[in-house]
Amino acid sequence: DAGITQSPRHKVTETGTPVTLRCHQTENHRYMYWYRQDPGHGLRLIHYSYGVKDTDKGEVSDGYSVSRSKTEDFLLTLESATSSQTSVYFCASGQGSDTGELFFGEGSRLTVL
Amino acid sequence: GQNIDQPTEMTATEGAIVQINCTYQTSGFNGLFWYQQHAGEAPTFLSYNVLDGLEEKGRFSSFLSRSKGYSYLLLKELQMKDSASYLCAVWDSNYQLIWGAGTKLIIKP
Repeated sequence: DAGITQSPRHKVTETGTPVTLRCHQTENHRYMYWYRQDPGHGLRLIHYSYGVKDTDKGEVSDGYSVSRSKTEDFLLTLESATSSQTSVYFCASGQGSDTGELFFGEGSRLTVL
Repeated sequence: GQNIDQPTEMTATEGAIVQINCTYQTSGFNGLFWYQQHAGEAPTFLSYNVLDGLEEKGRFSSFLSRSKGYSYLLLKELQMKDSASYLCAVWDSNYQLIWGAGTKLIIKP
């Protein structure tokens, strides 16, 4: 199994507060992704990174920002959390399109009150 | 738009065989994945198909027909531990991974 961990695993916060989720991988994967998963929806891509300091938006990027200052770390920030951002967030990493397989972190459950 | 369709939920009996279908309409195609996700856990990789045909891996097999935009995951000799959601995902022409909503499989004794 790829070494990919997320923190925190659970967080409850209030509307309007900033939140940062951290993803750490030890596999030297080039690509890293942040997804959210909600009932009735597939995994929806928030942002992804294709290298250090190289990031791009996914389909649901509004209200989120990311940073990748090192290969192993990918941070997701909610500048001002809203109740619609209550979700389970998954980080994933992989070598890229030629191998395809993504390895997922354990997930972070965020509740915004 | 891009779309992946899977049944929302299926029920099967322990020891039996079940087929989970996935149809897709995407902007190009560079491969199809099946992932397994147990409740409260992360998705884990099951299979990858890029060419037409059947890929067998133990009790699990995955089939692809690119001309029909269709895949299925076949699970044989079902066990209680196979109760999970099964996610279909397609690499589109830009190598963006498009995900289906998943099929919740319930195994009954």
